[in-house]
Amino acid sequence: QKEVEQDPGPLSVPEGAIVSLNCTYSNSAFQYFMWYRQYSRKGPELLMYTYSSGNKEDGRFTAQVDKSSKYISLFIRDSQPSDSATYLCATHPTGNQFYFGTGTSLTVIP
Amino acid sequence: DAGVTQSPTHLIKTRGQQVTLRCSPKSGHDTVSWYQQALGQGPQFIFQYYEEEERQRGNFPDRFSGHQFPNYSSELNVNALLLGDSALYLCASSLGGAGGHTIYFGEGSWLTVV
Repeated sequence: QKEVEQDPGPLSVPEGAIVSLNCTYSNSAFQYFMWYRQYSRKGPELLMYTYSSGNKEDGRFTAQVDKSSKYISLFIRDSQPSDSATYLCATHPTGNQFYFGTGTSLTVIP
Repeated sequence: DAGVTQSPTHLIKTRGQQVTLRCSPKSGHDTVSWYQQALGQGPQFIFQYYEEEERQRGNFPDRFSGHQFPNYSSELNVNALLLGDSALYLCASSLGGAGGHTIYFGEGSWLTVV
């Protein structure tokens, strides 16, 4: 079983839609969760970082962690064409080795 | 504030050759990790360097080796290149000690093995 599972999509939505991106993880010891955004042929950019369970909001982005079901989500409100990218979820138990999902490709259509 | 910088950005090598990739961490960071990202996949952990020592290693063969210098910069070396080594190689930096909880990536080095 992989440490992090992520639906690769692709996901295509109209501009202004609410986007929901999801991952599941296998190890209950994981406490730190991140979302990265990766534009084509670029390095991943840290978008959101959360610790343990709960929600964290930053502008149009909300990260949610449900440790009881080992489920992490990223919500994007009022999606824009500039949000078109691949979104990677990530987690780690110790700060050394980070485990990444395969990424979900998102296209926001104007 | 300088971010993570990597060089070269693109390179093409022949099967069997050796390659060295370089990374300078984000200002103030002392820990460097290397990841391999194949097309359509998430980054896979190769190893992490802290205080000039390899602190942890992922599931990669000994052909992959690294080094960290006193100024915290790092190199990734890959020997006896295989076609399957073609990927985006990402350097990530963080604050060490007990282990930084977030890592910051550079733009990566695109390696093509022919």
